[in-house]
Amino acid sequence: RKEVEQDPGPFNVPEGATVAFNCTYSNSASQSFFWYRQDCRKEPKLLMSVYSSGNEDGRFTAQLNRASQYISLLIRDSKLSDSATYLCVVNQAGGTSYGKLTFGQGTILTVHP
Amino acid sequence: EAGVAQSPRYKIIEKRQSVAFWCNPISGHATLYWYQQILGQGPKLLIQFQNNGVVDDSQLPKDRFSAERLKGVDSTLKIQPAKLEDSAVYLCASRVSTSGFTDTQYFGPGTRLTVL
Repeated sequence: RKEVEQDPGPFNVPEGATVAFNCTYSNSASQSFFWYRQDCRKEPKLLMSVYSSGNEDGRFTAQLNRASQYISLLIRDSKLSDSATYLCVVNQAGGTSYGKLTFGQGTILTVHP
Repeated sequence: EAGVAQSPRYKIIEKRQSVAFWCNPISGHATLYWYQQILGQGPKLLIQFQNNGVVDDSQLPKDRFSAERLKGVDSTLKIQPAKLEDSAVYLCASRVSTSGFTDTQYFGPGTRLTVL
């Protein structure tokens, strides 16, 4: 089983649509969780952290369920500029290796007019 | 604030040749990472430095890959000899602290390696 699993998609949605991405992780001791965004041929950039109580940043809402080891990202009112690959990222715990990020394979989103 | 710098941006080599990549992290960032990103996959950690010491190289293919971070600032990653399956983007990232779980990793633009 992969440490972080995502549906690779691709998701192809019209502008204005709501789209949700899911992610599961295998290490129950994981400490922190993120969504990164990666544009084509660019480096990953932090989109948002994911907190246990759920958090929102404009049109983006992230949820975490520690019991189910499940993370989600909801994008409302999709824009053309949201087209990218969305990476689910988990910070593994343990030892001296703080800040060891494990990435899912990414979910490709294309928003069309 | 200047970001993470990497060079070269692109490199094409033949198999069995050697190649080296360079990374200069954000000033003051104690932790530096090298990732390998194969097309269609998420980045995979190769090695993590805290200052100039290695704290995790469990996924580094040590028979052909080596990395160093002299003086705790910039870093080089070397592949010798390269194989076809090493074709990937090599990403460098840095982070300000050496502990904790929440501060952000900042990525450089990557070096795109093609092995023919």
